[in-house]
Formats: sequence, C-alpha cells, structure tokens
Amino acid sequence: QKEVEQDPGPLSVPEGAIVSLNCTYSNSAFQYFMWYRQYSRKGPELLMYTYSSGNKEDGRFTAQVDKSSKYISLFIRDSQPSDSATYLCAMSAASGTYKYIFGTGTRLKVLA
Amino acid sequence: DSGVTQTPKHLITATGQRVTLRCSPRSGDLSVYWYQQSLDQGLQFLIQYYNGEERAKGNILERFSAQQFPDLHSELNLSSLELGDSALYFCASSVGTSEINEQFFGPGTRLTVL
Repeated sequence: QKEVEQDPGPLSVPEGAIVSLNCTYSNSAFQYFMWYRQYSRKGPELLMYTYSSGNKEDGRFTAQVDKSSKYISLFIRDSQPSDSATYLCAMSAASGTYKYIFGTGTRLKVLA
Repeated sequence: DSGVTQTPKHLITATGQRVTLRCSPRSGDLSVYWYQQSLDQGLQFLIQYYNGEERAKGNILERFSAQQFPDLHSELNLSSLELGDSALYFCASSVGTSEINEQFFGPGTRLTVL
C-alpha cells in the first residue's frame, strides 16, 4: 500500500463547477500538507500549504486537512478552463525528514 | 517561471549508457532536491542536498548519484541506464531544509532510454 493515495482521474467538470480533489494517507506522522498544480510539460507549482489539521482558504481554493481520518481535500470554486491541470498532493513528517511524499496526481479538465 | 533551471530539456540515449542532468537553483536557495516522475509511480523523491552536503535520501538507485557544487548547482548522474529509467526528472530548490520552506520546481528533463 502506498503512503499517499490519490485518484488519478481524469476528472471532467463544466466551467463554474465546484471541484473536490482528495488524498488519503497512512502515515500518522505527516504534519505538513501541500497541494501542487502541474500543467502539461511543466514542473509542479505550490498552490496551498497547510500545517496540521484545519482549513485554509486562498481565493477560489480551499484546502482541508482531517488528520483523524487521514484525509485531505482541495476545493476549487468557480472552476475555469485555466484550472485544467494535474493536481498533486504532497505530505511531509515533522522536522528532520526533509522529504515530501507525493500522490500520483489527479488530472482535471474544466470544460468551457 | 520558478527561477530554477534544468538542462537539457530532453535527452535520448541507449541502454547501458550514462547521462548527467544539471540543475541551477533559485538565487539564494541552498537546498536542492531531485525527483523522478513516471506515469505509474508519480513523483518520487530521490535525494536532497543542502549547501553542498547530502541531507536526505529517498528511493534513489545505486546506479544514480548526485552532488551539489560550491556554486550550489547540482548534477544528477544516471549510469547503466535501463528502459525503466525513462521518466521526467525534476529538480526543486528551497531556501533551507525545513518542511515549511516552499520547494520551487524546475521545468524538468525528459529522459528517454531506447
């Protein structure tokens, strides 16, 4: 079993829809949770960063972490065609390990 | 543009060969990370260097090695290449070594082993 599981999709939604992307994990030591966006033929770029449990909002994006369920989510409101990309979740344990564990990514397509 | 540069963009080589991938971190960043991205495995952490010293190792094969030079650029050496080594190789950099330091990714090098 992988440490981080993510549905690869693809996920197709109409423009304006609310998108929900999710990851589950098995390592209870994870404290830092990130969402990266990767456009085709580009490197990943950080979208959201959350420490421990709770919600974080940034514009149309909301990240949620539920450590009791080992489940994280990224919500995209009013989705746009420009949001079409692969979304990767990443996690890291407390200080000392230095490495991120990534999910395999969910491919999202927002249809105009 | 993240400020991280990687060369070459594409590399096509044969099995058994050796290649070197190069990464220049963002100005001011001391940490460099190498990742391998394949369709079935996703983004896998290989190795991290901080200010010239190895800091963390992930799933890096013994046939692979890396180093970070005094000017902070880094090279990833892949030897005795196999078909399964075909993948995208990303370099990322960050200011320090803490998890809260955002990692900025380069555009990647696409390696094809024939």
